Amino acid sequence: SYVLTQAPSVSVAPGQTARFTCGGNNIRRKSVHWYQQKPGQAPVLVIYNDSDRPSGIPERFSGSNSENTATLTISSVEAGDEADYFCQVWDNSDLWVFGGGTKLTVL
Amino acid sequence: EVQLVESGGGLVKPGESLRLSCAVSGVTFRNTWMSWVRQAPGKGLEWVGRIKSTTDGGATDYAAPVKGRFTISRDHSQNTLFLQMNSLKTEDTAVYYCSTDSGSYYGLEYWGQGTLVTVSS
Repeated sequence: SYVLTQAPSVSVAPGQTARFTCGGNNIRRKSVHWYQQKPGQAPVLVIYNDSDRPSGIPERFSGSNSENTATLTISSVEAGDEADYFCQVWDNSDLWVFGGGTKLTVL
Repeated sequence: EVQLVESGGGLVKPGESLRLSCAVSGVTFRNTWMSWVRQAPGKGLEWVGRIKSTTDGGATDYAAPVKGRFTISRDHSQNTLFLQMNSLKTEDTAVYYCSTDSGSYYGLEYWGQGTLVTVSS
């Protein structure tokens, strides 16, 4: 089965840059999607197809995908960005696969 | 505006059944693939299954933990997606979300607010 590995937590000060990694075997061959989930709310798609932003998502959110690691980057972090972030890919065997999620704390 | 509204959650005992509904508006429902995703309390997201659009044949796929127990269906006359859950287990306790499924290149674009299913004796 295909496994996506995310760090449990990331902490950054306001105005700094937050980076979230998503590790997977040859993940570069897959399209990676990222979701933001604030407490008590449904997930929101913030990046699809590695680096594309849905309408309404600020340019501060960006993504990349290389070799065995995909990365979500949030620049100029704000208090309102505090949330859990999940990566996701489609795998032909396991179908939709999610990473375990990373909790962003804004200091 | 796309809206997805889940309903039907509640408290059931192990072995019992429950049917969740997801009312969809703002998209051409019969052309839209749909997925169910769940989240156990304090845990991450887990994909449950999906149904293709009618125009793409309407086939279903399921995650291994629910295959054979859960069934996804859709009613175009009501623009509603269903999740029939049988032989429920305590580990099925979760918030269940429906979402539009835009495929492997686009992800799950729109989500409902979720409905809580608790399986406990």
